[in-house]
Amino acid sequence: NAGVTQTPKFRILKIGQSMTLQCTQDMNHNYMYWYRQDPGMGLKLIYYSVGAGITDKGEVPNGYNVSRSTTEDFPLRLELAAPSQTSVYFCASSYGDRGPGYTFGSGTRLTVV
Amino acid sequence: ILNVEQSPQSLHVQEGDSTNFTCSFPSSNFYALHWYRWETAKSPEALFVMTLNGDEKKKGRISATLNTKEGYSYLYIKGSQPEDSATYLCAFRPGATNKLIFGTGTLLAVQP
Repeated sequence: NAGVTQTPKFRILKIGQSMTLQCTQDMNHNYMYWYRQDPGMGLKLIYYSVGAGITDKGEVPNGYNVSRSTTEDFPLRLELAAPSQTSVYFCASSYGDRGPGYTFGSGTRLTVV
Repeated sequence: ILNVEQSPQSLHVQEGDSTNFTCSFPSSNFYALHWYRWETAKSPEALFVMTLNGDEKKKGRISATLNTKEGYSYLYIKGSQPEDSATYLCAFRPGATNKLIFGTGTLLAVQP
């Protein structure tokens, strides 16, 4: 099983550019999440989804958008990139509720210059 | 704002030492407590999900306990090995939400 696959692994964006971080999972998990990791900080939740067609904001949603048209895919869209969005982004999925924990992707390191 | 605190921030031990770390979380509105192991250049891997006060979980040399009434969990590693070197994250899930709140982790370095 591939688990959770994120692309790209690295990206450099210029201020004001847009991009989509891709995330797909093959475990038929209903729940999917996007986190960002900044130095010295814990993982911060950006957006999450409890199923296809349902998304909700996390702690730090500003500057991002998501969609969940299928169970497998949960892309994260950055519009008008800003230096504050320089971070490592992790996608994760789970069965939800009290299951065996989250399965994380390998991360995307994004630099905005 | 819900805070999850982990201590110590970092720990250096010798191979064979046993060690433990603490995760503190709000004692009200508890739903679940997760532990993850995060090796450098990899992604976090789930160790335990704990849901009941008094829960004890074990996986090999790693075990965890949970006290929801006082809001803490301990992670123990018996006989540390160099391959145990990683950051250990805990995460608290409040009731009636689908959100995990992560601590900043304890970085463990095991010297051979």
